[in-house]
Amino acid sequence: GNSVTQMEGPVTLSEEAFLTINCTYTATGYPSLFWYVQYPGEGLQLLLKATKADDKGSNKGFEATYRKETTSFHLEKGSVQVSDSAVYFCALRLPSIQGAQKLVFGQGTRLTINP
Amino acid sequence: NAGVTQTPKFQVLKTGQSMTLQCAQDMNHNSMYWYRQDPGMGLRLIYYSASEGTTDKGEVPNGYNVSRLNKREFSLRLESAAPSQTSVYFCASSLVKAGNQPQHFGDGTRLSIL
Repeated sequence: GNSVTQMEGPVTLSEEAFLTINCTYTATGYPSLFWYVQYPGEGLQLLLKATKADDKGSNKGFEATYRKETTSFHLEKGSVQVSDSAVYFCALRLPSIQGAQKLVFGQGTRLTINP
Repeated sequence: NAGVTQTPKFQVLKTGQSMTLQCAQDMNHNSMYWYRQDPGMGLRLIYYSASEGTTDKGEVPNGYNVSRLNKREFSLRLESAAPSQTSVYFCASSLVKAGNQPQHFGDGTRLSIL
């Protein structure tokens, strides 16, 4: 079946530290991959995406590269800020004949950045 | 700039009671979705509607029903609430066209079943 596995949290870092959140997936076919972020009390927001192998998604200083050979899509940021504290979700989407996007989410990783 | 609006934001029910969660989007999106979020399990798809007039089961549909009332609105109904349905429920919508269009999420409904 299709599934997404993220590194377990919570993750606590100091401001300006380097961040990596690991994400690996299992899928039939060729999925698109996404990172969503959830700030406290809010819904999920798309952070970045990649649609094919070797694509790099980037946004707000975050990056992730679609690695087909390792079935991974790790999230990285060179220097985190307190405002990056949130829950991060990795997700995959398989092509759909109907057009609806059926996303499969990882369990989420809670990130806390201390000043 | 409302996006996806969910009501109510919080609700407490007793076991066996019924309730409808409302969702509306103002982005003219074709597809709409209902998810539940439980600790350590991420989001799981309950039902979705690819377009107006169609609905399909997701990963965890048991105990729920949905109605795509029109293009804007997609409601989720619990006919007889159970404690296992205590969760945070998210509605989302997306535009169906070429390319990978992101899903837009509401702020969630926190539901407790006693």
